[in-house]
Amino acid sequence: GAGVSQSPSNKVTEKGKDVELRCDPISGHTALYWYRQSLGQGLEFLIYFQGNSAPDKSGLPSDRFSAERTGGSVSTLTIQRTQQEDSAVYLCASSPKTGTDTQYFGPGTRLTVL
Amino acid sequence: SQQGEEDPQALSIQEGENATMNCSYKTSINNLQWYRQNSGRGLVHLILIRSNEREKHSGRLRVTLDTSKKSSSLLITASRAADTASYFCAASDRGSTLGRLYFGRGTQLTVWP
Repeated sequence: GAGVSQSPSNKVTEKGKDVELRCDPISGHTALYWYRQSLGQGLEFLIYFQGNSAPDKSGLPSDRFSAERTGGSVSTLTIQRTQQEDSAVYLCASSPKTGTDTQYFGPGTRLTVL
Repeated sequence: SQQGEEDPQALSIQEGENATMNCSYKTSINNLQWYRQNSGRGLVHLILIRSNEREKHSGRLRVTLDTSKKSSSLLITASRAADTASYFCAASDRGSTLGRLYFGRGTQLTVWP
């Protein structure tokens, strides 16, 4: 079946603008994760969803970042008043259930804040 | 930080040689996973080794795990130019039921034809 998809693949925005990044997980996967990867760095955990709820928001770097998930499927990561340090690749992953399963990653959204 | 740390940061070898990458982690784990990333985009899962396992094979991949040393290694045998990528280890925290993975910074592997 289809894998995890993310849109847009690339986003260039001006400092101070808001952006929305979308993730479509694999159908039937209940767990969904957002990560951020800055240039040459490892993955930084942002937020986790189990169904529509987010029991772990500890990785969100500031209150400018928020995320939601509707219908236990699509998730949107919103960054308000973007800053240059928000430039990174934002990766979404899903897994069949909560716990310690393998995570299946999307191709990512490359965000550039000018 | 509970991130894993890969060693070396960069590895350059010739086709046909074996590539060994090491990973150390700080947390108690349920499992440790290795992922591959091409060109800074999506990660592809390679192999998962559980905390009660010591060695696992998958094709040309061999993973070992030493929980007493909190370390793991990934061996790619008979490397090919197509193996060129970044490789990340990810530790699944035993203290978390949420499946949060702690990633290292990765090893950049270059395989020359």
